Amino acid sequence: GESVGLHLPTLSVQEGDNSIINCAYSNSASDYFIWYKQESGKGPQFIIDIRSNMDKRQGQRVTVLLNKTVKHLSLQIAATQPGDSAVYFCAETGNDYKLSFGAGTTVTVRA
Amino acid sequence: EPEVTQTPSHQVTQMGQEVILRCVPISNHLYFYWYRQILGQKVEFLVSFYNNEISEKSEIFDDQFSVERPDGSNFTLKIRSTKLEDSAMYFCAGIIEQGSEKLFFGSGTQLSVL
Repeated sequence: GESVGLHLPTLSVQEGDNSIINCAYSNSASDYFIWYKQESGKGPQFIIDIRSNMDKRQGQRVTVLLNKTVKHLSLQIAATQPGDSAVYFCAETGNDYKLSFGAGTTVTVRA
Repeated sequence: EPEVTQTPSHQVTQMGQEVILRCVPISNHLYFYWYRQILGQKVEFLVSFYNNEISEKSEIFDDQFSVERPDGSNFTLKIRSTKLEDSAMYFCAGIIEQGSEKLFFGSGTQLSVL
């Protein structure tokens, strides 16, 4: 069946180090992917997106990599800061304008 | 980031009671959505709304649920007879760009059914 999932539910990273959060998806028809950040008590906040015709996209301190061959998505955060502590979700959609979310990775930044 | 406003932020209700959750999306939002998140779990799709009608709904969105956009601005989710398992954070979201699937979420309403 269709599913979106993350490899690890938690990630602890030292402040200043780079973080890599991984996500696997199963729907071959997925053509749009988003990473969201969710802080405690708040709604998901858009970080970065990528379409299936790309394999890499960069934003401010973040990079999303897409490997369609193995249906794998990753989010890299450069120079992780305490404010990056949150739950990170990957989400995907086909052409139905309906996002399906993964289970989330909780990132904790150690000072 | 475009702001989506949800009210109330917290709602406590007794099992069997009706609740209405409200959302004020950006005025030029094209698609509207309700998602929910049970504590510690992933965000789940409930329903999408386009052109003043439901375009898709999940199996969670049964006959107890309904959505409306009564006055062209507010977007509401009604649960007719709440159950304990309806306790969750409910998020409204919208798409503002034609041809985009980028959803902007509200801050959510925490619903607690006792």
